[in-house]
Amino acid sequence: TQLLEQSPQFLSIQEGENLTVYCNSSSVFSSLQWYRQEPGEGPVLLVTVVTGGEVKKLKRLTFQFGDARKDSSLHITAAQTGDTGLYLCAGNQGGKLIFGQGTELSVKP
Amino acid sequence: DAGVIQSPRHEVTEMGQEVTLRCKPISGHNSLFWYRQTMMRGLELLIYFNNNVPIDDSGMPEDRFSAKMPNASFSTLKIQPSEPRDSAVYFCASSWGLPYNEQFFGPGTRLTVL
Repeated sequence: TQLLEQSPQFLSIQEGENLTVYCNSSSVFSSLQWYRQEPGEGPVLLVTVVTGGEVKKLKRLTFQFGDARKDSSLHITAAQTGDTGLYLCAGNQGGKLIFGQGTELSVKP
Repeated sequence: DAGVIQSPRHEVTEMGQEVTLRCKPISGHNSLFWYRQTMMRGLELLIYFNNNVPIDDSGMPEDRFSAKMPNASFSTLKIQPSEPRDSAVYFCASSWGLPYNEQFFGPGTRLTVL
Protein backbone atom coordinates (compact mmCIF):
# COMPACT_ATOMS: atom_id res chain seq x y z
CA THR A 1 0.00 0.00 0.00
CA GLN A 2 1.38 3.35 -1.08
CA LEU A 3 1.46 6.02 1.60
CA LEU A 4 1.20 8.66 -1.11
CA GLU A 5 -1.18 8.00 -4.01
CA GLN A 6 -0.65 9.97 -7.18
CA SER A 7 -3.24 10.31 -9.92
CA PRO A 8 -3.43 9.92 -12.75
CA GLN A 9 -0.56 7.50 -13.23
CA PHE A 10 -0.31 8.37 -16.93
CA LEU A 11 -1.40 11.49 -18.78
CA SER A 12 -1.04 12.25 -22.48
CA ILE A 13 -2.13 15.66 -23.70
CA GLN A 14 -1.62 18.10 -26.57
CA GLU A 15 0.60 21.14 -26.29
CA GLY A 16 -1.36 24.13 -24.98
CA GLU A 17 -3.75 22.15 -22.78
CA ASN A 18 -4.04 22.55 -19.03
CA LEU A 19 -3.67 19.68 -16.58
CA THR A 20 -3.76 18.85 -12.89
CA VAL A 21 -2.08 15.98 -11.08
CA TYR A 22 -2.91 14.97 -7.56
CA CYS A 23 -1.04 13.57 -4.58
CA ASN A 24 -3.21 12.16 -1.79
CA SER A 25 -2.66 10.48 1.54
CA SER A 26 -4.50 9.63 4.73
CA SER A 27 -1.42 10.78 6.65
CA VAL A 28 -0.39 14.29 7.62
CA PHE A 29 2.93 15.59 6.35
CA SER A 30 4.93 18.43 7.83
CA SER A 31 6.03 19.39 4.34
CA LEU A 32 5.65 18.12 0.80
CA GLN A 33 7.92 18.36 -2.21
CA TRP A 34 7.35 17.98 -5.94
CA TYR A 35 10.11 16.61 -8.14
CA ARG A 36 10.36 16.18 -11.92
CA GLN A 37 12.33 13.35 -13.46
CA GLU A 38 13.40 13.10 -17.10
CA PRO A 39 14.34 9.78 -18.74
CA GLY A 40 17.80 8.61 -17.76
CA GLU A 41 18.17 11.19 -15.02
CA GLY A 42 17.48 11.56 -11.33
CA PRO A 43 14.56 13.59 -9.94
CA VAL A 44 15.01 17.35 -9.61
CA LEU A 45 13.21 19.41 -6.98
CA LEU A 46 10.55 21.83 -8.27
CA VAL A 47 9.06 23.15 -5.03
CA THR A 48 8.54 22.57 -1.31
CA VAL A 49 5.25 23.46 0.39
CA VAL A 50 5.08 23.66 4.15
CA THR A 51 1.93 25.46 5.33
CA GLY A 52 -1.58 24.03 4.98
CA GLY A 53 -3.38 25.85 2.18
CA GLU A 54 -0.14 27.20 0.75
CA VAL A 55 -0.03 27.99 -2.96
CA LYS A 56 3.23 28.42 -4.86
CA LYS A 57 3.73 29.38 -8.48
CA LEU A 58 6.67 28.53 -10.67
CA LYS A 59 6.03 30.13 -14.08
CA ARG A 60 3.21 28.01 -15.59
CA LEU A 61 3.18 25.56 -12.67
CA THR A 62 0.95 26.09 -9.62
CA PHE A 63 1.38 23.95 -6.53
CA GLN A 64 -1.10 23.73 -3.68
CA PHE A 65 -0.83 22.06 -0.28
CA GLY A 66 -4.13 20.93 1.22
CA ASP A 67 -5.46 22.67 4.31
CA ALA A 68 -5.03 19.49 6.36
CA ARG A 69 -1.55 18.86 4.89
CA LYS A 70 -2.61 15.43 3.61
CA ASP A 71 -2.79 16.19 -0.09
CA SER A 72 -1.33 18.37 -2.80
CA SER A 73 -1.92 19.25 -6.42
CA LEU A 74 0.17 20.44 -9.32
CA HIS A 75 -1.52 22.43 -12.08
CA ILE A 76 0.22 23.18 -15.37
CA THR A 77 -1.17 25.89 -17.61
CA ALA A 78 -0.63 25.75 -21.37
CA ALA A 79 1.57 22.66 -21.29
CA GLN A 80 4.65 22.55 -23.48
CA THR A 81 6.54 19.56 -24.88
CA GLY A 82 9.35 20.40 -22.47
CA ASP A 83 7.03 19.60 -19.55
CA THR A 84 7.15 15.92 -20.49
CA GLY A 85 8.48 13.78 -17.66
CA LEU A 86 7.68 11.92 -14.46
CA TYR A 87 6.28 14.10 -11.68
CA LEU A 88 6.83 12.81 -8.15
CA CYS A 89 5.44 14.08 -4.89
CA ALA A 90 7.33 13.36 -1.69
CA GLY A 91 6.07 13.86 1.85
CA ASN A 92 8.16 14.46 4.92
CA GLN A 93 7.20 11.95 7.56
CA GLY A 94 9.29 10.92 10.51
CA GLY A 95 12.19 12.96 9.24
CA LYS A 96 12.51 11.30 5.86
CA LEU A 97 10.91 11.65 2.45
CA ILE A 98 8.24 9.20 1.28
CA PHE A 99 7.74 9.28 -2.48
CA GLY A 100 4.57 8.67 -4.46
CA GLN A 101 4.72 6.42 -7.53
CA GLY A 102 4.59 9.37 -9.88
CA THR A 103 2.54 10.71 -12.78
CA GLU A 104 4.02 10.11 -16.22
CA LEU A 105 3.18 13.16 -18.35
CA SER A 106 3.54 13.20 -22.11
CA VAL A 107 2.92 16.47 -23.95
CA LYS A 108 2.57 16.05 -27.71
CA PRO A 109 3.22 18.85 -30.22
CA ASP B 1 30.09 21.57 -8.53
CA ALA B 2 29.81 18.33 -10.51
CA GLY B 3 26.70 17.18 -8.67
CA VAL B 4 26.19 13.68 -7.29
CA ILE B 5 28.32 11.17 -9.17
CA GLN B 6 27.35 7.52 -9.52
CA SER B 7 29.18 4.64 -11.11
CA PRO B 8 28.72 2.57 -13.08
CA ARG B 9 25.82 4.02 -15.10
CA HIS B 10 24.85 0.59 -16.34
CA GLU B 11 25.59 -2.85 -14.91
CA VAL B 12 24.60 -6.19 -16.36
CA THR B 13 25.45 -9.23 -14.29
CA GLU B 14 24.41 -12.81 -13.79
CA MET B 15 22.41 -14.13 -10.89
CA GLY B 16 24.61 -14.96 -7.93
CA GLN B 17 27.30 -12.42 -8.71
CA GLU B 18 28.32 -9.61 -6.37
CA VAL B 19 27.42 -6.08 -7.47
CA THR B 20 28.90 -2.89 -6.05
CA LEU B 21 27.40 0.51 -6.80
CA ARG B 22 29.33 3.67 -5.99
CA CYS B 23 28.35 7.21 -5.11
CA LYS B 24 30.17 10.48 -4.54
CA PRO B 25 27.86 13.06 -2.90
CA ILE B 26 28.02 16.80 -3.39
CA SER B 27 30.86 18.28 -1.38
CA GLY B 28 29.62 19.76 1.89
CA HIS B 29 26.44 17.74 2.05
CA ASN B 30 26.03 15.74 5.25
CA SER B 31 23.19 13.35 4.34
CA LEU B 32 23.33 10.59 1.74
CA PHE B 33 20.48 8.42 0.51
CA TRP B 34 20.24 5.24 -1.53
CA TYR B 35 16.99 4.68 -3.45
CA ARG B 36 15.72 1.96 -5.77
CA GLN B 37 13.25 2.74 -8.57
CA THR B 38 11.08 0.20 -10.38
CA MET B 39 7.88 0.48 -12.37
CA MET B 40 6.01 -1.64 -9.86
CA ARG B 41 7.16 -0.03 -6.62
CA GLY B 42 8.24 3.45 -7.64
CA LEU B 43 11.07 5.17 -5.76
CA GLU B 44 11.91 3.42 -2.49
CA LEU B 45 14.35 4.61 0.15
CA LEU B 46 16.77 1.83 1.00
CA ILE B 47 19.03 3.52 3.55
CA TYR B 48 20.26 6.93 4.54
CA PHE B 49 23.37 8.21 6.27
CA ASN B 50 23.88 11.37 8.26
CA ASN B 51 27.46 12.48 8.89
CA ASN B 52 28.60 9.09 7.56
CA VAL B 53 26.51 7.16 10.10
CA PRO B 54 23.65 4.90 8.94
CA ILE B 55 20.46 6.35 10.44
CA ASP B 56 17.64 4.31 8.89
CA ASP B 57 18.15 1.07 6.98
CA SER B 58 14.59 -0.17 7.32
CA GLY B 59 14.18 -0.10 3.56
CA MET B 60 17.03 -2.49 2.85
CA PRO B 61 15.29 -5.54 1.37
CA GLU B 62 17.29 -8.26 3.05
CA ASP B 63 20.71 -9.34 4.20
CA ARG B 64 21.96 -9.56 0.63
CA PHE B 65 22.06 -5.76 0.59
CA SER B 66 24.66 -3.75 2.49
CA ALA B 67 25.78 -0.13 2.37
CA LYS B 68 28.81 1.69 3.69
CA MET B 69 29.98 5.25 3.93
CA PRO B 70 33.64 5.19 4.96
CA ASN B 71 34.01 8.98 4.57
CA ALA B 72 32.04 12.07 3.66
CA SER B 73 32.82 11.79 -0.04
CA PHE B 74 32.11 8.15 -0.83
CA SER B 75 29.47 5.49 -0.35
CA THR B 76 28.85 2.02 -1.71
CA LEU B 77 25.79 -0.19 -2.03
CA LYS B 78 26.59 -3.87 -2.37
CA ILE B 79 24.35 -6.75 -3.38
CA GLN B 80 25.67 -10.24 -2.74
CA PRO B 81 24.44 -12.52 -4.18
CA SER B 82 22.40 -10.68 -6.78
CA GLU B 83 19.02 -11.97 -8.01
CA PRO B 84 16.91 -11.08 -11.08
CA ARG B 85 14.37 -9.30 -8.84
CA ASP B 86 17.10 -6.82 -7.89
CA SER B 87 16.98 -5.40 -11.42
CA ALA B 88 16.12 -1.70 -11.07
CA VAL B 89 17.58 1.78 -11.28
CA TYR B 90 19.49 2.65 -8.11
CA PHE B 91 19.81 6.32 -7.22
CA CYS B 92 22.09 8.03 -4.77
CA ALA B 93 21.07 11.45 -3.44
CA SER B 94 22.63 13.91 -1.03
CA SER B 95 21.42 16.89 0.95
CA TRP B 96 22.54 19.42 3.52
CA GLY B 97 20.99 19.66 6.96
CA LEU B 98 17.80 17.81 7.74
CA PRO B 99 17.04 14.62 5.75
CA TYR B 100 13.83 16.07 4.31
CA ASN B 101 15.54 19.12 2.84
CA GLU B 102 16.03 19.31 -0.91
CA GLN B 103 17.73 16.19 -2.13
CA PHE B 104 20.08 16.25 -5.11
CA PHE B 105 19.97 13.04 -7.08
CA GLY B 106 22.66 11.39 -9.15
CA PRO B 107 21.95 10.05 -12.64
CA GLY B 108 21.36 6.52 -11.32
CA THR B 109 22.78 3.08 -12.04
CA ARG B 110 20.64 0.81 -14.17
CA LEU B 111 21.19 -2.73 -12.88
CA THR B 112 20.13 -5.79 -14.83
CA VAL B 113 20.54 -9.19 -13.23
CA LEU B 114 20.13 -12.05 -15.70
